Amino acid sequence: SQQGEEDPQALSIQEGENATMNCSYKTSINNLQWYRQNSGRGLVHLILIRSNEREKHSGRLRVTLDTSKKSSSLLITASRAADTASYFCATDASGTYKYIFGTGTRLKVLA
Amino acid sequence: NAGVTQTPKFQVLKTGQSMTLQCAQDMNHEYMSWYRQDPGMGLRLIHYSVGAGITDQGEVPNGYNVSRSTTEDFPLRLLSAAPSQTSVYFCASSYSGTERSSPLHFGNGTRLTVT
Repeated sequence: SQQGEEDPQALSIQEGENATMNCSYKTSINNLQWYRQNSGRGLVHLILIRSNEREKHSGRLRVTLDTSKKSSSLLITASRAADTASYFCATDASGTYKYIFGTGTRLKVLA
Repeated sequence: NAGVTQTPKFQVLKTGQSMTLQCAQDMNHEYMSWYRQDPGMGLRLIHYSVGAGITDQGEVPNGYNVSRSTTEDFPLRLLSAAPSQTSVYFCASSYSGTERSSPLHFGNGTRLTVT
């Protein structure tokens, strides 16, 4: 079964609003990563947070990690229509090189 | 800088046919992997490799073979295609070595249909 589960499965917001999506995973990890996928394309890496980090920022992105709850959240501030995409979290279970992806959140930003 | 290159982009096979999906990277990455993506299922790991001569199974390895004879190439072989293997296949690579926290670089995918 997949390591990560994203929530919500789909999200529709107005341009300028913030978008928050969550990821839960099952085992201890070395790091957690977030990726974006535009329709029909490959995935693009957004941000990586290590297991000993609690929060990380990159431009309009803010990621938090709570290893005690085995969960992470991705916040996109001041969303734009170009942010419309699917977002996935991925984890590598400690002691392995298996990068396992969640089922994704489909974000639609309305202009 | 080509990054991760997958060929072909599209392929149609009949049940029982065999084929190889090609993946090459020019970033000297040690880690390479194959995923399949089905609607509503996210990406599922098929096989991965941490270096030349080393491969291991992922979540859904049945029906697929891999080998890693060079650092650059990681082909995925379907020995006898089945309709259940209809999917979009992605190859990804990353630098590993002693630094395991590195992002994955993805190819643009191969869309495979098995009839």
